Amino acid sequence: AQKITQTQPGMFVQEKEAVTLDCTYDTSDPSYGLFWYKQPSSGEMIFLIYQGSYDQQNATEGRYSLNFQKARKSANLVISASQLGDSAMYFCAMRERETDSWGKFQFGAGTQVVVTP
Amino acid sequence: NAGVTQTPKFRVLKTGQSMTLLCAQDMNHEYMYWYRQDPGMGLRLIHYSVGEGTTAKGEVPDGYNVSRLKKQNFLLGLESAAPSQTSVYFCASSYSPTAEQFFGPGTRLTVL
Repeated sequence: AQKITQTQPGMFVQEKEAVTLDCTYDTSDPSYGLFWYKQPSSGEMIFLIYQGSYDQQNATEGRYSLNFQKARKSANLVISASQLGDSAMYFCAMRERETDSWGKFQFGAGTQVVVTP
Repeated sequence: NAGVTQTPKFRVLKTGQSMTLLCAQDMNHEYMYWYRQDPGMGLRLIHYSVGEGTTAKGEVPDGYNVSRLKKQNFLLGLESAAPSQTSVYFCASSYSPTAEQFFGPGTRLTVL
């Protein structure tokens, strides 16, 4: 069963505008972590931001913030003041603690973001 | 500090051939992972390792084998390649299961 759902396959955003990328997840594990990665056209995977299930505050890293709504099982990424270099594929991922704590990640299908001048 | 490196970067195989992908990390990470990335499907975990000498199956392990003889290296083997294994393969490592994973640049494999 799909545990991470990203419902937006692609979106356009104008430079300097904010954009929200949706991510919903499914888990019964009370301890889990949520990650966002960026994959530019060059192909490398770049870590952006992390949110733990017990974190009281939403995570922020520079222009990236995570809108964590635990009851709704949603972890949306917000990119403020978009730049042309933000054009990339963005992946949401989840790590459930499970009994063995081996940190297996599950990734969503990704959202392609294109920033226009 | 090279981070995570993968060799080769590109490879074309014929059906039935075998090959080994090498992943190396210089961050002293215990945890290492192999993923495959197919269009529209995100990344799927093939195998992973929680330390030297230990490996475990991920989501899509069939047709692949792995070995972790040295802490810094994680090898992914295809014994008899099939066209369905055409994909981009990523290796990743992390210092703990709760930490972010650092990815290598990927290997683009085509099986004809």
